[in-house]
Amino acid sequence: AQSVSQHNHHVILSEAASLELGCNYSYGGTVNLFWYVQYPGQHLQLLLKYFSGDPLVKGIKGFEAEFIKSKFSFNLRKPSVQWSDTAEYFCAVLSGGYNKLIFGAGTRLAVHP
Amino acid sequence: GAVVSQHPSWVICKSGTSVKIECRSLDFQATTMFWYRQFPKQSLMLMATSNEGSKATYEQGVEKDKFLINHASLTLSTLTVTSAHPEDSSFYICSAGLHSINYGYTFGSGTRLTVV
Repeated sequence: AQSVSQHNHHVILSEAASLELGCNYSYGGTVNLFWYVQYPGQHLQLLLKYFSGDPLVKGIKGFEAEFIKSKFSFNLRKPSVQWSDTAEYFCAVLSGGYNKLIFGAGTRLAVHP
Repeated sequence: GAVVSQHPSWVICKSGTSVKIECRSLDFQATTMFWYRQFPKQSLMLMATSNEGSKATYEQGVEKDKFLINHASLTLSTLTVTSAHPEDSSFYICSAGLHSINYGYTFGSGTRLTVV
């Protein structure tokens, strides 16, 4: 079964610091990958997704992610975080053939002004 | 576009009673909806896949008789927690997507269930 690992459970940064959140998946075939964000008290929102093509994916709010097939990774990055980026971030993979999203454990990001 | 509405946003019920949670796709038709459960400070666990006009597909370990899913129309799926117990207290989230996965999935705002 496919699985997703997010190794950073809690990340604390100061404003303007650069961010990189790790995500590794287990499936070796064609993958569809997603990053979702959940702001405090709000529902999940899609940040970006990768299906094929350019492995560097641009998302909303200045986020990007790079798909590295050889490393089974899909890390999320942002060059300069803001206090408003404080949220929980979830990496997810689409379970092939079933259209089910399998989520990682999530990374809680706290950005201090 | 692609808005999913979930109702209620929170509910408190007594042990032994049943609670129904609704998930509606407001501006699109969803042949498939998904129900997740999120424990505090944990990730979303997929409970079941709700298919319009047919039986839901449950994940391993999820009790079908405890969590009844009905997907009677292309815009509505319901999750009923039957004979609720305190351990059923959790955050339940539904999601739906347009026919093509390329549009991604949209999530409801979730329902916080507290069983006392």
